Order: sequence, then structure tokens, then C-alpha cells
Amino acid sequence: EDQVTQSPEALRLQEGESSSLNCSYTVSGLRGLFWYRQDPGKGPEFLFTLYSAGEEKEKERLKATLTKKESFLHITAPKPEDSATYLCAAVIKGAAGNKLTFGGGTRVLVKP
Amino acid sequence: EPEVTQTPSHQVTQMGQEVILRCVPISNHLYFYWYRQILGQKVEFLVSFYNNEISEKSEIFDDQFSVERPDGSNFTLKIRSTKLEDSAMYFCASSRGTGADTQYFGPGTRLTVL
Repeated sequence: EDQVTQSPEALRLQEGESSSLNCSYTVSGLRGLFWYRQDPGKGPEFLFTLYSAGEEKEKERLKATLTKKESFLHITAPKPEDSATYLCAAVIKGAAGNKLTFGGGTRVLVKP
Repeated sequence: EPEVTQTPSHQVTQMGQEVILRCVPISNHLYFYWYRQILGQKVEFLVSFYNNEISEKSEIFDDQFSVERPDGSNFTLKIRSTKLEDSAMYFCASSRGTGADTQYFGPGTRLTVL
């Protein structure tokens, strides 16, 4: 069964304390790996798409990387406004309808 | 910047009633999706829609659910006879292309079934 698992479930950081979030996937074939940010009561906001192992994408304090089994979201010198739930999701090869399979998310709280 | 919009933001209904959730996808997008998120749980895929047909649906999307694109801009999700367990946030998403093209999400409709 295709699965996407995120760890840790929650992360408390001091402002400026860099850290990494993990997304591991066991899927029959990966077409793309997505990272989204979700604020409470809101819809997922797109951050990155990664397509192949070794790929990296960066945006401000966030950097996403992909290997054959997992993806990492690195948060460098986070600020309180980076507090959110970060979701990863996979699109699997052969899926007819491009469905996203989501992990459970990592809730990040950055304290000033 | 174009965005996906959804109405209403919050819908309260009695068990057994029909509800229609509405979405306006991004205008040049061709693929449309519904997902739901029960409080504290993962975002779950419900259905994808392209060229006026369902492309894929999950086990959740049973005969009580239907989708429609009634005109050139709206995309709706109907739940025929709501159950308590249908209470969730419902997200509409759209993408320009297929495969791993980016899906952009709306703000969601919170459905509460009493």
C-alpha cells in the first residue's frame, strides 16, 4: 500500500534555531513530491514540487530535498511567522486522477 | 495572483439533509479535485474531475457524493444525505495539467453535521 509518513508530529523551535522535517514515502513509483504549508483553519498553500532524487528547491528560509525514499524540509533560522503545519504529499505513477496522498503533517511552533 | 475560491466558508446542516459545496477553480486550469480533512487527521483525496468526467475517486466517495461542473467557472460537491461522520473541512483544488502538475487549494468549507 502506498504510504506517506511525516516526522516528527510536532516541533517546537526557538527563533533562529534551524531544524529539519522528514517525509518518508513507500510508493510503487513516485511522479512528484509536494510540500505545502497549512495555517489553522486554512487550505494547504503550495511551497515546492520535487520530481527526482537529488533535486533541491529553496524559498526564503525553506529548502526541500529529495532522495529515493524520503524528502526533507530544512528550516534555516526560523521566525515566528514560520509557525504552521507542513504537509508533504506524493503523486504516484499510474494514478489515473493525479491524486495527492498526504502525510500527517508536522506542526511547527517557533517561539520568539 | 489567481486563486481557488470556495463558498460557503462554514456550513451547518442537520443529519440527512443535502448540502452543496461550491468552488471556483483557477480560470485556466483543467483538472479539479475535492479533498477532505477531518479534524486532527490527514488530508484525504475524494475525487478528481477532468473534461466533465470523474477521473478517479476514493472509497470515501460513495453514492452519497456527486460532483458537477454546472457552468464554465463553478465546480460543486454534493452530499445527498449527510451523516455525522461527514463533518470535516472540504478543500477544492485545481491544476493546469495532469501528472505531477501543482494542485492549488482553496480556503476550504467547514461542514458541521448535527
